[in-house]
Amino acid sequence: QVQLVQSGSELKKPGASVKVSCKASGYTFTTYAMNWLRQAPGQGLEWMGWINTNTGNPTYAQGFTGRFVFSLDTSVSTAYLQISSLKTEDTAVYYCARPIGGGAHWFDPWGQGTLVTVSS
Amino acid sequence: EIVMTQSPATLSVSPGERATLSCRASQSVSSKLAWYQQKPGQAPRLLIYGASTRATGIPARFIGSGSGTEFTLTISSLQSEDFAVYYCQQYNSWPRTFGQGTKVEIK
Repeated sequence: QVQLVQSGSELKKPGASVKVSCKASGYTFTTYAMNWLRQAPGQGLEWMGWINTNTGNPTYAQGFTGRFVFSLDTSVSTAYLQISSLKTEDTAVYYCARPIGGGAHWFDPWGQGTLVTVSS
Repeated sequence: EIVMTQSPATLSVSPGERATLSCRASQSVSSKLAWYQQKPGQAPRLLIYGASTRATGIPARFIGSGSGTEFTLTISSLQSEDFAVYYCQQYNSWPRTFGQGTKVEIK
């Protein structure tokens, strides 16, 4: 079955970097883009952007430029989210999600989420 | 950016009763609206896309309706496993945006 499996929880200090992985299985990785979303503690869902898994070209939502980088390793069907210069406000669960629907973009499935905690 | 507003924030419903959740878009999104269910500690799960099409495996008690700027998710007879937070999401324009969620709790 189609599945996205993310890396485990991370505890980082302010100013550090973190790299979250999202491994896809059950489908051809390059057939679908990959999206990243954030959910701060007790908050709603925020779309961060997406990466074209054919070209590697990323698109970032406003507010997620500069410190956030999407990347791929297509040889292992894995997408990555790297966040540098971490701030306490980056504490959140980060999800990868596959967009479906042709040119439309609803998300199914989602990874299980990776909790990134930034604390001194 | 299209702002999605959900109401109410919390809905208290008894098992077996009907729940009606609303989602309003700040401008028309046509029928490009999805609904998700999220339980504590879990990732969101797709329920509805195209405003009214149930995703694979979603029970018929979940009914989506609406178009333009006004949308509704109806759960016809709440089961114990339906108590969760529900989010709407528009995919008519960039950036993709979500409502703030409606929590359906046991009355």
